[in-house]
Amino acid sequence: KNQVEQSPQSLIILEGKNCTLQCNYTVSPFSNLRWYKQDTGRGPVSLTIMTFSENTKSNGRYTATLDADTKQSSLHITASQLSDSASYICVVSAWNNDMRFGAGTRLTVKP
Amino acid sequence: ETGVTQTPRHLVMGMTNKKSLKCEQHLGHNAMYWYKQSAKKPLELMFVYSLEERVENNSVPSRFSPECPNSSHLFLHLHTLQPEDSALYLCASSQAIRLTSGNNNEQFFGPGTRLTVL
Repeated sequence: KNQVEQSPQSLIILEGKNCTLQCNYTVSPFSNLRWYKQDTGRGPVSLTIMTFSENTKSNGRYTATLDADTKQSSLHITASQLSDSASYICVVSAWNNDMRFGAGTRLTVKP
Repeated sequence: ETGVTQTPRHLVMGMTNKKSLKCEQHLGHNAMYWYKQSAKKPLELMFVYSLEERVENNSVPSRFSPECPNSSHLFLHLHTLQPEDSALYLCASSQAIRLTSGNNNEQFFGPGTRLTVL
């Protein structure tokens, strides 16, 4: 079983709607968690990074939350736009330099 | 642009061919990485290079051979590949391999090379 599990695997929403992507992890000892956005045919680009003491962090319409006790994170997208269509990847790093990637959630925003 | 470039962007090769992927970073970083990304699977770390060391994933077949001539350039030499090696190959760089108190060690990714092995 992968140490970083993301859900759902894919998601289709209408433009203007909100959505939430989930990431559960077992990576330990936890150092930080990042959310990346990967457009089709491009490399991943960092959206947010959170350390153990941070519960929430925003980047424009993207808001990430972290519950280090339950080892869960979510990425909330507000007022979705067509350009939000992409894969969203959760990456969890441990202090022993072990970095684990989730398989990603494929988001499609339709007009 | 992330400051990491990769060439070529697309590559089609036969199983008997020899080709090389190139990566260049303009960020002044000291660590570079090769990843393989297959559909619906997590990124797989293949190789890590830094000024201090080279770290390999022992599960990577010998038909993939990395070369890091300096801290700004990274190559992946390919020979006698198999169709299952078809994937997106991503290069990334970071300040260092190891986390330190003042460095979250974010990796910056290139656009990738889409490889198809016939």
